[in-house]
Amino acid sequence: ILNVEQSPQSLHVQEGDSTNFTCSFPSSNFYALHWYRWETAKSPEALFVMTLNGDEKKKGRISATLNTKEGYSYLYIKGSQPEDSATYLCASPPGDMRFGAGTRLTVKP
Amino acid sequence: NAGVTQTPKFQVLKTGQSMTLQCAQDMNHNSMYWYRQDPGMGLRLIYYSASEGTTDKGEVPNGYNVSRLNKREFSLRLESAAPSQTSVYFCASSLTVSGYGYTFGSGTRLTVV
Repeated sequence: ILNVEQSPQSLHVQEGDSTNFTCSFPSSNFYALHWYRWETAKSPEALFVMTLNGDEKKKGRISATLNTKEGYSYLYIKGSQPEDSATYLCASPPGDMRFGAGTRLTVKP
Repeated sequence: NAGVTQTPKFQVLKTGQSMTLQCAQDMNHNSMYWYRQDPGMGLRLIYYSASEGTTDKGEVPNGYNVSRLNKREFSLRLESAAPSQTSVYFCASSLTVSGYGYTFGSGTRLTVV
């Protein structure tokens, strides 16, 4: 994988559902994996920065895991709420840090 | 707590005109970046500055120049604007290029007619 890839492109869930998305990145020369939350008409905000294989990070109902050997990270949202609706980006620095195209999450009340 | 400040927020240019987008951060970050966001393309890196005194090309540098004026400020210049440069531009900064999250400015919406 030469670029950072995210799946799915978009996701529609009901309030209360739990969901997860995937970020795939080049596993060679790995430094860090970033997750960002980007609400419409706002700027991206950093959620997690992960550096170690097996890393798990948590912020409220959102958590992320990292597998640097196989080059993927999962972002989980437990009990989705309408305010979780946003695009979730991942990126892998350094240098010309490339962002994935994002997963657009819509949570319906 | 200003964070990253971008100016202007909106701009309309005619083809061939030049302009400079300004970015300043007050977090004592070493690294700064310019991205553009286009529908369906996500965020693409134009230029970045890993530390004061250095600049490097990103994924889409053609048609742009940058200046890292000092540790706080990183400007992006369009010498001869083209309609293809119509986009939303984001400046960002981080403590270093890899292990720390980026803080983004609020964006500049540029239209070239």
